[in-house]
Amino acid sequence: NAGVTQTPKFQVLKTGQSMTLQCAQDMNHEYMSWYRQDPGMGLRLIHYSVGAGITDQGEVPNGYNVSRSTTEDFPLRLLSAAPSQTSVYFCASSLGQPSTDTQYFGPGTRLTVL
Amino acid sequence: GDSVTQMEGPVTLSEEAFLTINCTYTATGYPSLFWYVQYPGEGLQLLLKATKADDKGSNKGFEATYRKETTSFHLEKGSVQVSDSAVYFCALLPYGGTSYGKLTFGQGTILTVHP
Repeated sequence: NAGVTQTPKFQVLKTGQSMTLQCAQDMNHEYMSWYRQDPGMGLRLIHYSVGAGITDQGEVPNGYNVSRSTTEDFPLRLLSAAPSQTSVYFCASSLGQPSTDTQYFGPGTRLTVL
Repeated sequence: GDSVTQMEGPVTLSEEAFLTINCTYTATGYPSLFWYVQYPGEGLQLLLKATKADDKGSNKGFEATYRKETTSFHLEKGSVQVSDSAVYFCALLPYGGTSYGKLTFGQGTILTVHP
């Protein structure tokens, strides 16, 4: 198993550009989520999904879109990048509820918006 | 709303020293509590967890006890190693309802262990 994979590892964008961060897992996990990590602030939940076709907003959803067409993939889209979106982004998945099942995190994507 | 507060870092220790990283939380009801560890250049890994009051989570020599009376979940290890150098995050998950996946993280504590 590859676990949770994320691409790209690094990305530099100009303000206003769009891009998609990719996340995939091969563990047949129902639950997937996206976090951003900023210095001194821990991780904050952006969006999450409890299964294919179902998504919902987390703590900081503005400026980001998600979709979940398959169990394996959960891409995160930035429609018009802003410097405030400079961060490290982590995707995570778990078989069931995080209170009972371990969340597995990907290695992260470091995004810089100029 | 829910919140997690960790002791400010960074923490620098010599090998074999005793480690404590404080974590306190604010939440309604009975949240589940977690410690995650992030090694350099990697994603987060679950270190240990506790899902009810007085539970003790343990893994790799680390321990933490869920203390509802003091709303705390302090991380301890009796003898740290250089390989324990990492960032440690305390986190909570609200109990029940539609609270899936809404982990609330502390700000993280950087631990550096010197030989």
